[in-house]
Amino acid sequence: GQQLNQSPQSMFIQEGEDVSMNCTSSSIFNTWLWYKQDPGEGPVLLIALYKAGELTSNGRLTAQFGITRKDSFLNISASIPSDVGIYFCAGMFGAAGNKLTFGGGTRVLVKP
Amino acid sequence: EAGVAQSPRYKIIEKRQSVAFWCNPISGHATLYWYQQILGQGPKLLIQFQNNGVVDDSQLPKDRFSAERLKGVDSTLKIQPAKLEDSAVYLCASSPRSSGSGEQFFGPGTRLTVL
Repeated sequence: GQQLNQSPQSMFIQEGEDVSMNCTSSSIFNTWLWYKQDPGEGPVLLIALYKAGELTSNGRLTAQFGITRKDSFLNISASIPSDVGIYFCAGMFGAAGNKLTFGGGTRVLVKP
Repeated sequence: EAGVAQSPRYKIIEKRQSVAFWCNPISGHATLYWYQQILGQGPKLLIQFQNNGVVDDSQLPKDRFSAERLKGVDSTLKIQPAKLEDSAVYLCASSPRSSGSGEQFFGPGTRLTVL
């Protein structure tokens, strides 16, 4: 089946830093979405991408839909403590009826 | 607008017992999803409903898991009998339509521990 690989699996951030994470797939997707999950909560949508090559921003977040349609990346600029959490990419293919395949997540932690 | 509601938030049972989870989606959302999220992993779709019909249950372990959405609104997911490997967070999500944006709205989940 389809698999999404996220990297890094975890990262430490220091306030003010820019961070980047990516997601690669063995299959093509027509839609890429990035979600964030806080402890004890369900995932919340951050950014949705619908077109190969598309670059979309949401505040300090920027995401891109790879040209090959098999990858996407998410950047967070000027990180703040509330950016801590788990970031998931999810892909959807065509007429799959909104069926999403999720990656394993990138856990963002604060540097001690 | 109220979000997706789930109950209970936590449940601890022993293996071979039964358990049921309840979900009330966002008002007017036709599509409802149940996901299983094992610790350290991303959510995995178990079943998708469009109104009260099943769209996809290909990853639902049907020998022990069942789900229903009788009136096309709220839904229950049942596990009978539970196994140790069923320990996970069970997330319910809803979306206003079955194709298009891909955006799904998630509830807070039910954390199940099977001893």
